[in-house]
Amino acid sequence: GQNIDQPTEMTATEGAIVQINCTYQTSGFNGLFWYQQHAGEAPTFLSYNVLDGLEEKGRFSSFLSRSKGYSYLLLKELQMKDSASYLCAAMDSNYQLIWGAGTKLIIKP
Amino acid sequence: IAGITQAPTSQILAAGRRMTLRCTQDMRHNAMYWYRQDLGLGLRLIHYSNTAGTTGKGEVPDGYSVSRANTDDFPLTLASAVPSQTSVYFCASSGGDNSGANVLTFGAGSRLTVL
Repeated sequence: GQNIDQPTEMTATEGAIVQINCTYQTSGFNGLFWYQQHAGEAPTFLSYNVLDGLEEKGRFSSFLSRSKGYSYLLLKELQMKDSASYLCAAMDSNYQLIWGAGTKLIIKP
Repeated sequence: IAGITQAPTSQILAAGRRMTLRCTQDMRHNAMYWYRQDLGLGLRLIHYSNTAGTTGKGEVPDGYSVSRANTDDFPLTLASAVPSQTSVYFCASSGGDNSGANVLTFGAGSRLTVL
């Protein structure tokens, strides 16, 4: 079957760095997405990886290893506004998205 | 402002009643989707439409129906609501070009409670 695993909750300190991991199993693979979702709001797109390696976008970076079925989202210089859920989603061979349950990130001062 | 509008924002509904959640986008996106989001679970696809006039079933279609009469509108109907349909419903759209960079834009969500 198809499956996405990511931690349920993580806590980090303002100004620090946090890495949110995601492992996936899909029938075929057409890329890995990360979305941010603040409480009570809609998910918003953060990043997309289809090739192995690191994609950097400001304070946020996303990494993909296709051979390991693994991705992570790296958040640097954490700010209180980064408190949110981070959703990992893999696109299968039919271009359908398989979603993880999300990682709730709590930032403490 | 370009985007997706969902209505209602929230609704409490008696079991057995019929309910339509509305979704309108002004980005001229080809593809539209309805997801439900429940605590502890990932977003689950209910129905989708790759282009106006076509619809398809997602992962959890039972008890729901959709229509896509034009590019902009994609209503979701619960013919006879049941308590297990209590959830937050998100409408989304994308360019639908079936490339891997098929980024979704989400509406603000509709919180539905079925009693």
